[in-house]
Amino acid sequence: GAGVSQTPSNKVTEKGKYVELRCDPISGHTALYWYRQSLGQGPEFLIYFQGTGAADDSGLPNDRFFAVRPEGSVSTLKIQRTERGDSAVYLCASSLTGARGAGQETQYFGPGTRLLVL
Amino acid sequence: ELKVEQNPLFLSMQEGKNYTIYCNYSTTSDRLYWYRQDPGKSLESLFVLLSNGAVKQEGRLMASLDTKARLSTLHITAAVHDLSATYFCAVLTSGTYKYIFGTGTRLKVLA
Repeated sequence: GAGVSQTPSNKVTEKGKYVELRCDPISGHTALYWYRQSLGQGPEFLIYFQGTGAADDSGLPNDRFFAVRPEGSVSTLKIQRTERGDSAVYLCASSLTGARGAGQETQYFGPGTRLLVL
Repeated sequence: ELKVEQNPLFLSMQEGKNYTIYCNYSTTSDRLYWYRQDPGKSLESLFVLLSNGAVKQEGRLMASLDTKARLSTLHITAAVHDLSATYFCAVLTSGTYKYIFGTGTRLKVLA
């Protein structure tokens, strides 16, 4: 079946601009995660959705970052006033249930969006 | 804050050899995950370890978890070139939904 998809695959923007990154999770997956991965590093947790609500947004670095999942499926990560330090690969993952979900919590990752802020 | 450390960070090994990657974490957690990432690709789930003493095996890879020692190991048996990748462990912070990833171990298996 279809996996997690993310668009765009690459995004180049200028410092100060606004960007939106989209994630389409696997159909039926209630949990959705956003991560940021810098070169040579492990993924860094940003936010976790259970259904439509953000159950844990403690990883968002500041108020320039915001994410929504209005209908409980597709999610959009929004970054305002981008800075060069925001350049990274943004990964989305989904799972059938959320964390501690009785063994159905395996995360399936999308291919990522590579963001470059000039 | 929870810290997750892996060692070694880089590992170059000959085909047919055995080796172990270590994942230490700094605070209480009851769940640990191992992932594989190929260059330029996304992450693939390998193992989910849900309790102390859990051991899982898939092919030439075996993962174990010791929650008392806050340690997980990923053991590679008779390595083959196809296992070359970066391996990450990740820990779920107790009481939250926040996953913390290690810095990864870049494995290169030489023919």
